[in-house]
Amino acid sequence: KQEVTQIPAALSVPEGENLVLNCSFTDSAIYNLQWFRQDPGKGLTSLLLIQSSQREQTSGRLNASLDKSSGRSTLYIAASQPGDSATYLCAVTGRALTFGSGTRLQVQP
Amino acid sequence: SQTIHQWPATLVQPVGSPLSLECTVEGTSNPNLYWYRQAAGRGLQLLFYSVGIGQISSEVPQNLSASRPQDRQFILSSKKLLLSDSGFYLCAWSVQGINEQFFGPGTRLTVL
Repeated sequence: KQEVTQIPAALSVPEGENLVLNCSFTDSAIYNLQWFRQDPGKGLTSLLLIQSSQREQTSGRLNASLDKSSGRSTLYIAASQPGDSATYLCAVTGRALTFGSGTRLQVQP
Repeated sequence: SQTIHQWPATLVQPVGSPLSLECTVEGTSNPNLYWYRQAAGRGLQLLFYSVGIGQISSEVPQNLSASRPQDRQFILSSKKLLLSDSGFYLCAWSVQGINEQFFGPGTRLTVL
């Protein structure tokens, strides 16, 4: 059974810092890995999708990497802003998505 | 462009009452559809998924059921709600054969 773990569970940083969110999964037989953002009481917004054959994806200030063999992915956020405050979820795809429990990020102005 | 709708946005129901949550997708045909639940302090759990009209797969045994009466409509139901059914219910869709999923705004269900 696939298990997804996200570390840290919560993170508070001052504005402008670069930061890294970590995601690990137990079964490397995945189709892809997806990073989402969730604002309080809202649905999920897809940030980045990395196919299993890819090593990384970039979108603006976000960069996600994938190392299937070690079962790890990182989400790098450059020059963090208060608007980045949210919960970040990673999910891996087998038949359907298996989610981690998320990292709650607070960026202080 | 594609959009996904869920309603109602919030719902408060007594224990033992029935439930019907609706999800519709616009701008695509024959999508895969999914129902997830996000309980307080827990991650998202896949409840049901559907690859076509009338085709429902259940991931976990529970007090809920799902139906897909039309190509872009997915309904989550219960005949008698339990306290443990409280949570945030999210519907999602994906293109057939492609795994990237897109989520709706969610329904906050409180069972009292």
